[in-house]
Amino acid sequence: DAKTTQPNSMESNEEEPVHLPCNHSTISGTDYIHWYRQLPSQGPEYVIHGLTSNVNNRMASLAIAEDRKSSTLILHRATLRDAAVYYCILIRGGSQGNLIFGKGTKLSVKP
Amino acid sequence: EAEVAQSPRYKITEKSQAVAFWCDPISGHATLYWYRQILGQGPELLVQFQDESVVDDSQLPKDRFSAERLKGVDSTLKIQPAELGDSAMYLCASSLVRDWGEQFFGPGTRLTVL
Repeated sequence: DAKTTQPNSMESNEEEPVHLPCNHSTISGTDYIHWYRQLPSQGPEYVIHGLTSNVNNRMASLAIAEDRKSSTLILHRATLRDAAVYYCILIRGGSQGNLIFGKGTKLSVKP
Repeated sequence: EAEVAQSPRYKITEKSQAVAFWCDPISGHATLYWYRQILGQGPELLVQFQDESVVDDSQLPKDRFSAERLKGVDSTLKIQPAELGDSAMYLCASSLVRDWGEQFFGPGTRLTVL
């Protein structure tokens, strides 16, 4: 399985946009890019996923580089509730769908 | 909104004792996962079920861990005997589609082995 690299931690101010980077230089053509986040004392929750094109949903946007070797999760206006560990995970299409979590990026949001 | 249920939420046990965790996935979700999360790390998969069948238990320590999903609905994860190193959060997740569908996680069971 291809690996991902994320910064250990990031800080943001409330109501400002946040860009969380993820590098996946060994991604294959059938790997989907998934993002999950884990709020304190909770199980992880799905945020967004994409293959090649940028994606938007009610929680966030996912910007995927043209060569697919990196991606960025964008939170348009951070709230205190967005403080969490964010995981970038590659899942191969047609696989069993197992999530291989790294250490993720711990996002702190300051009021 | 449908949720994955887990019980108990917290469990304290002494080493060499047996413990069991229960998970009830979202109705209609055929795929069920058990993960273990050690403090400060991301979750790691222990076992994956498709209906009542195990499709991946390569990371399950089979000498002491067992998992079952007899009727393809709820599931039980057992540890016997528990060891100090088993202290962790045990998370259950389910998904509608096996290959890359969104996984829905329960709140987890926090196990402390003394």
